[in-house]
Amino acid sequence: AQTVTQSQPEMSVQEAETVTLSCTYDTSESDYYLFWYKQPPSRQMILVIRQEAYKQQNATENRFSVNFQKAAKSFSLKISDSQLGDAAMYFCAYRSGGGSEKLVFGKGTKLTVNP
Amino acid sequence: GAVVSQHPSRVICKSGTSVKIECRSLDFQATTMFWYRQFPKQSLMLMATSNEGSKATYEQGVEKDKFLINHASLTLSTLTVTSAHPEDSSFYICSASQDRANSPLHFGNGTRLTVT
Repeated sequence: AQTVTQSQPEMSVQEAETVTLSCTYDTSESDYYLFWYKQPPSRQMILVIRQEAYKQQNATENRFSVNFQKAAKSFSLKISDSQLGDAAMYFCAYRSGGGSEKLVFGKGTKLTVNP
Repeated sequence: GAVVSQHPSRVICKSGTSVKIECRSLDFQATTMFWYRQFPKQSLMLMATSNEGSKATYEQGVEKDKFLINHASLTLSTLTVTSAHPEDSSFYICSASQDRANSPLHFGNGTRLTVT
């Protein structure tokens, strides 16, 4: 079974600074997808960024980018120019290839943004 | 973008009663929906996979007779918590996929269930 590990229960960053959230995963599959979801206090799950395992290029969405190291099974999230609205729980998630597979979540990292 | 609607957002019920939570995909068809449970300050735990037109697949340790799942159409899945007890109090959240290989899951806003 696949597992996702987020080793940082909590992180903090100063506004406008950069922070990196760590995620590692374990799988024997070659076809899979990785995601970062944000959960603010409203508890709505918001997709931040996704990465297809077959793509070597790291995904980027505005201030959010990932460092995908397939051989190391690492998928870290970098948030640049942090904003107060970035404060939330961040979950790393794994999904097997195929359209109807479930997500396996890490335990999450609580990000605090200090003004 | 794809929208998943979950209703109700909050519900309070008495012990022994049943509660139904609805999950709808508003602008896409979803042959598969997922039900998660989230305890305070914890991650999402998959309870079951809801399959349109067939029985749900439950994760190990989840009582299928207590958490009844019905996926009657391509846009609606329901979770019924039967004979609710205070320990069933939790945050329940559904998600749906557009069934394309690279399609992310879209989540409902969740339901806060409190059993008194």
